[in-house]
Amino acid sequence: DVVMTQSPLSLPVTLGQPASISCRSSQSLVYSDGNTYLNWFQQRPGQSPRRLIYKVSNRDSGVPDRFSGSGSGTEFTLKISRVEAEDVGVYYCMQGTHWLSFGGGTKVEIK
Amino acid sequence: EVQLVESGGGLVEPGGSLRLSCAASGFTFDDYAMHWVRQAPGKGLEWVSGVSWNSGSIGYVDSVKGRFTISRDNAKNSLYLEMDSLRVEDTALYYCAKDSRGVISDLENWGQGTLVTVSS
Repeated sequence: DVVMTQSPLSLPVTLGQPASISCRSSQSLVYSDGNTYLNWFQQRPGQSPRRLIYKVSNRDSGVPDRFSGSGSGTEFTLKISRVEAEDVGVYYCMQGTHWLSFGGGTKVEIK
Repeated sequence: EVQLVESGGGLVEPGGSLRLSCAASGFTFDDYAMHWVRQAPGKGLEWVSGVSWNSGSIGYVDSVKGRFTISRDNAKNSLYLEMDSLRVEDTALYYCAKDSRGVISDLENWGQGTLVTVSS
């Protein structure tokens, strides 16, 4: 089974400042078709999760460009260039290369 | 617009059974894999099970293997989760989710969830 490890667990950020979340997988997420199925999700309080980023670095429709994803192999990062109040919530990485599994989540809050 | 509407949740005693349903609309259902994901109260997300577009590939998280069965009816645009031998630790909000491909790989769209409570 692929274990996904996220850090930090909690991320207090000042409005307008950048934020960065790390995600590590226990094995390579490169699939046999050459794609890397690593996604990022946002879950705002009281809402269903929403996909932000797919295949490492592709933003979903309607996702602000202050969100960006990067990484390869087993190390991945989600960055928010300038945190806004609406970004408060929990962020999860998820791999879809070997069945599916999630990281434990990172709670983003405003200082 | 993709719509996923879950139903069938409720209160059940340990050892009991429950069948969840997900009614899908707004897309060609039999083109996509489908999934169940759960979230225990105050906890993170856990993928429970997924089924490919033609039911040729099915997967489960280890903790539900042998107890839960996923199925789909492409003629009815519906996804199901049959849950047997339920345990207290199965208590969670269960989400139905649509993949972005016909094979199991992704969670592109989510429903609002149906709550399952296992308690005596």
